Amino acid sequence: DTEVTQTPKHLVMGMTNKKSLKCEQHMGHRAMYWYKQKAKKPPELMFVYSYEKLSINESVPSRFSPECPNSSLLNLHLHALQPEDSALYLCASSQDSDRDISYEQYFGPGTRLTVT
Amino acid sequence: GDSVTQMEGPVTLSEEAFLTINCTYTATGYPSLFWYVQYPGEGLQLLLKATKADDKGSNKGFEATYRKETTSFHLEKGSVQVSDSAVYFCALSVIGNEKLTFGTGTRLTIIP
Repeated sequence: DTEVTQTPKHLVMGMTNKKSLKCEQHMGHRAMYWYKQKAKKPPELMFVYSYEKLSINESVPSRFSPECPNSSLLNLHLHALQPEDSALYLCASSQDSDRDISYEQYFGPGTRLTVT
Repeated sequence: GDSVTQMEGPVTLSEEAFLTINCTYTATGYPSLFWYVQYPGEGLQLLLKATKADDKGSNKGFEATYRKETTSFHLEKGSVQVSDSAVYFCALSVIGNEKLTFGTGTRLTIIP
């Protein structure tokens, strides 16, 4: 099973709302990622969790707050977003890289976020 | 730093045509190379991968060979179908670095 699930599929929120995106994987992967993808662009890395600890934060504004409750779940808490934050938010997971190989990432279907 | 240069699109081909999408890379370490495909309204799917020089990744009729001497990982398919219409991303990651570096993506449209 190489499935990463994300909920919700679509989300519309106002600039004063608080919402959360959820991601789940059951592949035993120990690295999980959040990406933001704007139209006609490649995904941009936001956060990386490795063994449930935040290992990379790509200078993301504090209105985005990640959380990794356990090795299978990853959340992205959203607060006071701006219209320019509207995008496709993708979650991914992978085995942690070892000495000899860098592993592929498996992506979820994404959450299409619209900020009004 | 690491970078991926990918053939600019969009690319439009007739059904059953031969496809090549060029991809070259620069890497600070020894990279693993990937092709991802994104169908409209969906997330990215891993299409194929290669983890060392001269490896050939293949899947669904697509192939790509890891060429260290030319730092390339070109995607090919002998006979494309309408269902292959999508955006294709070349990407790399380097051992010890958790980041995926993507190319800009190539939008492929196949017409019947």
